[in-house]
Amino acid sequence: GDSVTQMEGPVTLSEEAFLTINCTYTATGYPSLFWYVQYPGEGLQLLLKATKADDKGSNKGFEATYRKETTSFHLEKGSVQVSDSAVYFCALTVSGGATNKLIFGTGTLLAVQP
Amino acid sequence: DTGVSQNPRHKITKRGQNVTFRCDPISEHNRLYWYRQTLGQGPEFLTYFQNEAQLEKSRLLSDRFSAERPKGSFSTLEIQRTEQGDSAMYLCASSLSGGLVEQYFGPGTRLTVT
Repeated sequence: GDSVTQMEGPVTLSEEAFLTINCTYTATGYPSLFWYVQYPGEGLQLLLKATKADDKGSNKGFEATYRKETTSFHLEKGSVQVSDSAVYFCALTVSGGATNKLIFGTGTLLAVQP
Repeated sequence: DTGVSQNPRHKITKRGQNVTFRCDPISEHNRLYWYRQTLGQGPEFLTYFQNEAQLEKSRLLSDRFSAERPKGSFSTLEIQRTEQGDSAMYLCASSLSGGLVEQYFGPGTRLTVT
C-alpha cells in the first residue's frame, strides 16, 4: 500500500543552521506530496505542497522538490529560527482518489536552539 | 471564520465507558475527515464524509467506533466500550470539494483511557 517514510528525530540545530528532513514515499498511483507542521499546542498546518514531478513547493523559507526518480520530497531551509521548532510531517494523497485522504509519515521533531 | 473546532480538547475515561467527540468544520466545507494520532506516530485516516454521507471507513474503525454527520454540518465520533488502546489524539479536518484542496485541521481531542 501507499506509505511515507521520514527521518527520525529529534533534529537539534542551532539558529541559522541549514535544515534537511528526508522524506521518501511509496505509492501505487501518482501522488501529490505535502509537508505539514505542528507547532506546540496547535493543530496541523499545511506548510507546502507539490502535485507533479519536479514541482517545487515553498513557504516561509522552506522548500521541497518532488523527485519522482528517487521517490523523495525532502524538506529544506537555509537558515532556521527558534520559531521553526515544531514537528514536521511528510504526507501524500493519491490524485484522482475519491477521498483525498492523507497518508502521513511518523513526523520529525525539530528543536532549534538560540 | 474561526477554523475547525473540536470538543472536548481532553477526555479521560475509564475502560469500558462510552465517549463522544464533536467536530465543527469550517462552515462552507463539505468534506470532513477524522484521523487518529498515537504518540510518536503520524495521523492515520479513520473516515471521510462528503456532506452527510460517510463514503469511506478505514479498517482501523472497528465496530465500536461510529461517526455521524447529520445535515452535513458538525460531526460526532463515538467510541463504545473504550479500551486502553483507544488512547490517542483524535483529529478532525475539513476541506472544500473538487480536485486537490487543502485540508484544515482542528486542534484535536486527546483521549486517555485508564
